[in-house]
Amino acid sequence: DVKVTQSSRYLVKRTGEKVFLECVQDMDHENMFWYRQDPGLGLRLIYFSYDVKMKEKGDIPEGYSVSREKKERFSLILESASTNQTSMYLCASSPVGPNEAFFGQGTRLTVV
Amino acid sequence: AQTVTQSQPEMSVQEAETVTLSCTYDTSENNYYLFWYKQPPSRQMILVIRQEAYKQQNATENRFSVNFQKAAKSFSLKISDSQLGDTAMYFCAFMKMAGANSKLTFGKGITLSVRP
Repeated sequence: DVKVTQSSRYLVKRTGEKVFLECVQDMDHENMFWYRQDPGLGLRLIYFSYDVKMKEKGDIPEGYSVSREKKERFSLILESASTNQTSMYLCASSPVGPNEAFFGQGTRLTVV
Repeated sequence: AQTVTQSQPEMSVQEAETVTLSCTYDTSENNYYLFWYKQPPSRQMILVIRQEAYKQQNATENRFSVNFQKAAKSFSLKISDSQLGDTAMYFCAFMKMAGANSKLTFGKGITLSVRP
């Protein structure tokens, strides 16, 4: 089975902190994604990566950056966390081309 | 840009009955994929069913089937014989077929409650 693992299920951080959300997949997928999920807004794409060290902005990249140094790992970075970044964050991966995406279990981040 | 619209925020159905979840989308692409994902309270997103736009036949997966109307840009999900375990959020999603950098565009989701 494909497994996408996010490092934390729940996280509480203070305003202004630098926050790292980690995601690891074990199926050698080329594509990896970070989505943000908010009630009434669905899933919105923050960033995605289609290869090591390659990244593209999604729909809401402001306030976020990403890192992909190894194929299996995709990190989302909140440079200076703010309360409006309190949300559920979902990582996903997929093989190259138009294929099903596999999701992690989500990280519920609260910024206080 | 593609958009996906799920206009019903919530629905409720009696166990063992049939329910249909609606989804419309807007795109200028001719070739694409459509998906329904399920997110139960555990938060794990699971693929329910997928449809390739070039296929005229509607996809079916056990109790789940779709009504794909390409001209109308409509993609509804029918759940037959609803079970308590079907209680979840359901997201409709669109993916372009071209290129390596394919990503999903999601609707806002619908919360489905199955009543015992």
